[in-house]
Amino acid sequence: QLQLQESGPGLVKPSETLSLTCTVSGGSISSSSYFWGWIRQPPGKGLEWIGSIHYSGSTYYNPSLKSRVTISVDTSKNQFSLRLSSLTAADTAVYYCARQLPYGSGLYYFDYWGQGTLVTVSS
Amino acid sequence: SYVLTQPPSVSVAPGKTARITCGGNNIGSKSVHWYQQKPGQAPVLVVYDDSDRPSGIPERFSGSNSGNTATLTISRVEAGDEADYYCQVWDSSSDHPGDVVFGGGTKLTVL
Repeated sequence: QLQLQESGPGLVKPSETLSLTCTVSGGSISSSSYFWGWIRQPPGKGLEWIGSIHYSGSTYYNPSLKSRVTISVDTSKNQFSLRLSSLTAADTAVYYCARQLPYGSGLYYFDYWGQGTLVTVSS
Repeated sequence: SYVLTQPPSVSVAPGKTARITCGGNNIGSKSVHWYQQKPGQAPVLVVYDDSDRPSGIPERFSGSNSGNTATLTISRVEAGDEADYYCQVWDSSSDHPGDVVFGGGTKLTVL
């Protein structure tokens, strides 16, 4: 059974950079054509896609966040990571990592999700 | 950017049928996926590619998609179906590589 687990700081200061890691177990991050994505959810609000990466390094980013986001993959550790810079209170959210299927020249649905990690941006 | 519109809330009595809509411009030309999210939990995929169900999802969950509206239908609603539901598509019609778009979510209340 595939499992994903987010890790990282729960509290980050405004203007700083958030770094989160998703560790994949029960399967190899580089064994197939899957993409690996980050999604966030501010408290009491809806889901927002941040971006997705293939183990080859190919990425898709949410246009509204692209200037502040970097997603990378470490196949040796079976992990992928998120960096989000210039944080403000509006970035306070539960951050999820998830597996995503490719679809033609784009992306499809998320079938496995991590449990999520709450990140609070506050001084 | 592409916008998906869901009603904020839907209420239904146990045993009845709930229909949750997801509106978008010519959404019928896209593949729509639906997630169920219970409080404090990660979303769970309940319908993908408009109308297919992942293994383990009850047949009571079904979907359709045509024109400008996609619909998630939950038959014989149970108390355990009370949750937030989100639709999602991939939009590649804009002037960028592509975008995963979620609807705003619908809170299903079982009366």
